Amino acid sequence: QMQLQESGPGLVKPSETLSLTCTVSGGSITSGYYYWAWIRQAPGKGLEFIGSVSQNGVTSYIASRKNRVTLSVDRSKNQFSLSLSSVTAADTAVYYCARQGGVAAIYYYYYYMDVWGKGTTVTVS
Amino acid sequence: QSALTQPRSVSGSPGQSVTIPCTGSSSDIGSYDYVSWYQQHPREAPKLIIIEVTKRPSGVPDRFSGSKSGDTASLTISGLQPEDEADYYCCSYVGSYFTDVVFGGGTTLTVL
Repeated sequence: QMQLQESGPGLVKPSETLSLTCTVSGGSITSGYYYWAWIRQAPGKGLEFIGSVSQNGVTSYIASRKNRVTLSVDRSKNQFSLSLSSVTAADTAVYYCARQGGVAAIYYYYYYMDVWGKGTTVTVS
Repeated sequence: QSALTQPRSVSGSPGQSVTIPCTGSSSDIGSYDYVSWYQQHPREAPKLIIIEVTKRPSGVPDRFSGSKSGDTASLTISGLQPEDEADYYCCSYVGSYFTDVVFGGGTTLTVL
């Protein structure tokens, strides 16, 4: 059974870069048709999709955050990572990594997250 | 992309049914059947309960069902149980890049 685990600093200073890694176990990051996603949840708020990366490093970001987000994948370590630069207090949240699956139609649409990490809390202060 | 619109809260008694609507636009829910729903208990990660508007992943009770009409998707929970008390989020493909999705604001279900 596949499991995902986020890791990284729990406290980041304003204007610095937040860096998180998600380690995949119980399966390979290169198996099947999946993207690997990051979602966050600010305190008391809803879920927010940040972006996702394919096993080959193809990335997709939410437009509003595109200039601050970098996603990468390390197939040899079965890991993928998130970097968010120039953080502010508004970036304080629980950050989740997840497997993003989908369906083959005209294209392959990756639209649901079926395996989630437990989340890691990041405070910007 | 704007978040999908959900009511902040709904409630129901054990055994009853509740429906949670999720309103989007012609650019997302109205154009694609790529809608998913998630259940989130406090201090836990979300759990996938519906994909492709109506389909339940393995292990999800058939008390959970999904539907869509126009720009609005809905989650119906039948035979409410105390453990159904949680936050529920809809999510839709938004048609810009083939991995871009947007979540609804979330609905808190209270089982009275």
